[in-house]
Parts: sequence; C-alpha cells; structure tokens
Amino acid sequence: EIVLTQSPGTLSLSPGERATLSCKASQSISNGFLAWYQQRPGQAPRLLIYGASGASNRATDIPDRFSGSVSGTECTLTISRLEPEDSAVYFCLQYTSSPPYTFGQGTKLEIK
Amino acid sequence: EVKLLESGGGLVQPGGSLRLSCAASGFTFSSYGMSWVRQAPGKGLQWVSGISGSGGITHYADSVKGRFFISRDNSKDTLYLQMESLRVEDAAIYYCTNEYDFWSGTPWGDHWGQGTPVTVSS
Repeated sequence: EIVLTQSPGTLSLSPGERATLSCKASQSISNGFLAWYQQRPGQAPRLLIYGASGASNRATDIPDRFSGSVSGTECTLTISRLEPEDSAVYFCLQYTSSPPYTFGQGTKLEIK
Repeated sequence: EVKLLESGGGLVQPGGSLRLSCAASGFTFSSYGMSWVRQAPGKGLQWVSGISGSGGITHYADSVKGRFFISRDNSKDTLYLQMESLRVEDAAIYYCTNEYDFWSGTPWGDHWGQGTPVTVSS
C-alpha cells in the first residue's frame, strides 16, 4: 500500500502570495496517477489536478493559478496568486496501483 | 450534467446494519468503476470500496473487509454499499465517486455526491 504524507499540516498565507503544498509517497509514483482535491467546509471534495507520469492536468473550470508536478516520490500542488476562496483543505490521492487507493491526510490552507 | 445522489445514511447502533445508495445520472453509469469514500468528523478522506463497471470486480479497504459489501444495479444506475457489523469508528460521511476510466480519460474523483452521514452510537 502506498502511503501519502502531506506537509505542512496548516499553511497560513496572504492573498496574492504563492502556496506550495507537498505530498510525499512511500514509493515512486512517477509512472502512476496522482490527483489533488480541494474541500471547503461542509462541501464534497472537488477535483483540481490529475495526471499520470508527472503530467499536470487541470480539471474542468479550475483556473490556471493551480498547477501540479510529480518527481519520484514528491508531489507538489502550487497555487499562485492566492485568493480568499482558496481557503480550504487540500488532499492528494494516488490511484497508481490496484486498490487500496490512498489519500494524504490533508493540508489546511488559511488565507489571512 | 453528471449527478450523484447518496442516500440511506442515519443513526444505527453498534453491530447494526445499513444500506447506502448512490443514484447516478448524466453519464453512462455502466461504463465506469465507482467507489465509496468516507470522512469521519474532522478527519481526512478514506477510500472504502470500489467496483468495476460491470460489477464483476470489487475491492475493499482492510478496515471494512468482510463487513461491507459493494454492489451496483446498472439497470437502475445505482451504486450500493451494504454495511454490516457497524462499529463506532465507521461513523462518517459517505461519498460516492467515479473511478479512473482509461478509455475516456476521466480522472478518479471527477464527480462526487453530497454525501450521506452515518452515525454509529448506542
């Protein structure tokens, strides 16, 4: 089972700044599939970024301020030019191999 | 428009049973694998179970194996999760979502329902 560890646990930034969220896998997923989700309070998760082999595809209606990358076991979600509505919890997911699919524990992003 | 609508959640005593449903619309349901994901109060997301488009292949998280059973009725565009021998730690919001589809390129978790809450308490 691939374990995903997200960092930091909480990130507090100001509007206009750049956020860098990390998701470290217990084994390489460079040849696999990784996705990022945003979850606002009281809402279902929303797909942001997905891809295989390091590709970064934005889901429908996701602005280009959101981008992702994968290198070996390190996965990164970058949100440039933060806006107040970006305040949420962000989860990574790997669906590289057969189940179980695994999520990271989440990073809470606070916009000051 | 793709819609997923979960139902069937509620309050159940430890050891009890519950059946969740997820009604799908707006896409060819039988072409997609589907999964259940849960979220305990204040916690992260946990994949629970998945099923292939035909229903012939199922997978479970170790924590629910032997107690939960996933199924689908493609004639009704509906996904199910039969939960038995429920434990306090099974309390969560349960979401249904689509799995990755190679042929269409649809990514895992492209669509989610609003979730149905399950409370396990005496």
